[in-house]
Amino acid sequence: DTGVSQDPRHKITKRGQNVTFRCDPISEHNRLYWYRQTLGQGPEFLTYFQNEAQLEKSRLLSDRFSAERPKGSFSTLEIQRTEQGDSAMYLCASSLSRVDEKLFFGSGTQLSVL
Amino acid sequence: DQQVKQNSPSLSVQEGRISILNCDYTNSMFDYFLWYKKYPAEGPTFLISISSIKDKNEDGRFTVFLNKSAKHLSLHIVPSQPGDSAVYFCAASDPNTGANSKLTFGKGITLSVRP
Repeated sequence: DTGVSQDPRHKITKRGQNVTFRCDPISEHNRLYWYRQTLGQGPEFLTYFQNEAQLEKSRLLSDRFSAERPKGSFSTLEIQRTEQGDSAMYLCASSLSRVDEKLFFGSGTQLSVL
Repeated sequence: DQQVKQNSPSLSVQEGRISILNCDYTNSMFDYFLWYKKYPAEGPTFLISISSIKDKNEDGRFTVFLNKSAKHLSLHIVPSQPGDSAVYFCAASDPNTGANSKLTFGKGITLSVRP
């Protein structure tokens, strides 16, 4: 399977704990995106990478959130000191950097903060 | 501020009939529009797209229409099949945001196709 892979699929944590998610994009894609989706809403942009460079971050991404893509391949999204409001589906997507290039999404990581 | 609006949260149609899903947008800088389909516990899957230089794009049973003056687009599914039952998201991109594939999504429409 050469699609976008995310791990874990589900994560349950207690408030105040740190969590880290991983995303493996489609191998030839140089752009990688993180989105967040809450119940009843569409996916909301968090941040994106062009190769290893993080080029844009949404104001939704508070200081407790950090994303990396160290070698321009896989990416990690860490949330420190989780809060109940962080409970959501975290989606990763990748694309080529051509104009009008569509995003390919992974299945997401469902985070529940108790 | 919701820049992409899908005002109808759900739609139910009979198998074999046409499904029409509507989407409105407010940002006149959007120039590329996409529809994604999402099943439960899966990520969104690309369905069809349209550039702002066109007013129609067709792919099999799926057709997207764009009315730029009204800032409105619609997805037509003909004929509808039970397997089309899913959440459909309208999305748009603004080339001035720095990443031409960064998408702004609507809230989605839940389509149910009755056998």
